[in-house]
Amino acid sequence: GAVVSQHPSRVICKSGTSVKIECRSLDFQATTMFWYRQFPKKSLMLMATSNEGSKATYEQGVEKDKFLINHASLTLSTLTVTSAHPEDSSFYICSARVGGQDYGYTFGSGTRLTVV
Amino acid sequence: GQNIDQPTEMTATEGAIVQINCTYQTSGFNGLFWYQQHAGEAPTFLSYNVLDGLEEKGRFSSFLSRSKGYSYLLLKELQMKDSASYLCAVTDSNYQLIWGAGTKLIIKP
Repeated sequence: GAVVSQHPSRVICKSGTSVKIECRSLDFQATTMFWYRQFPKKSLMLMATSNEGSKATYEQGVEKDKFLINHASLTLSTLTVTSAHPEDSSFYICSARVGGQDYGYTFGSGTRLTVV
Repeated sequence: GQNIDQPTEMTATEGAIVQINCTYQTSGFNGLFWYQQHAGEAPTFLSYNVLDGLEEKGRFSSFLSRSKGYSYLLLKELQMKDSASYLCAVTDSNYQLIWGAGTKLIIKP
């Protein structure tokens, strides 16, 4: 089945530093990648939609300059949290739509970011 | 606005059956998904309904009524490993995925 590999799974960083999260589609081409953020016991919150070769579309309230998204190839999308602060600590998940009968979305394994 | 409602938490007994309901009000409809999410992990796909009726996959079944804006996920022969959150999500007319807050299912021996 379609697999999205997300790395790193956990990261701890100091306030003010930047963290890059990578998502790779391993056995399919993901022209569109969705980036979500999830707070404890809350549902997924869509942050942005990245499209290969073009600028990402950000949801209202999400700072473009803080959450940099790059989708340079059909198999790789990255999210960089710049100048991280403790309030950026969260679970970040990427997802890609998979074609076929199920029309489902496959998710990366998630990244637990802790900013200290 | 767009809204998806599902119970916050449910408790059931190992070996029993549980039904998790989901109601939605969205601008258009292009399908409804159910996902399972264990704590600290990413969601995994369970089912997809776009037409009315029941879809069965082993111990899990999902039902949809578009006229009522209603779906349910039915879990049979519950196992302890089924303890997780179950997320209902609807694709609207723009194919944007709208997520419910999830139902935490607690299985007791």
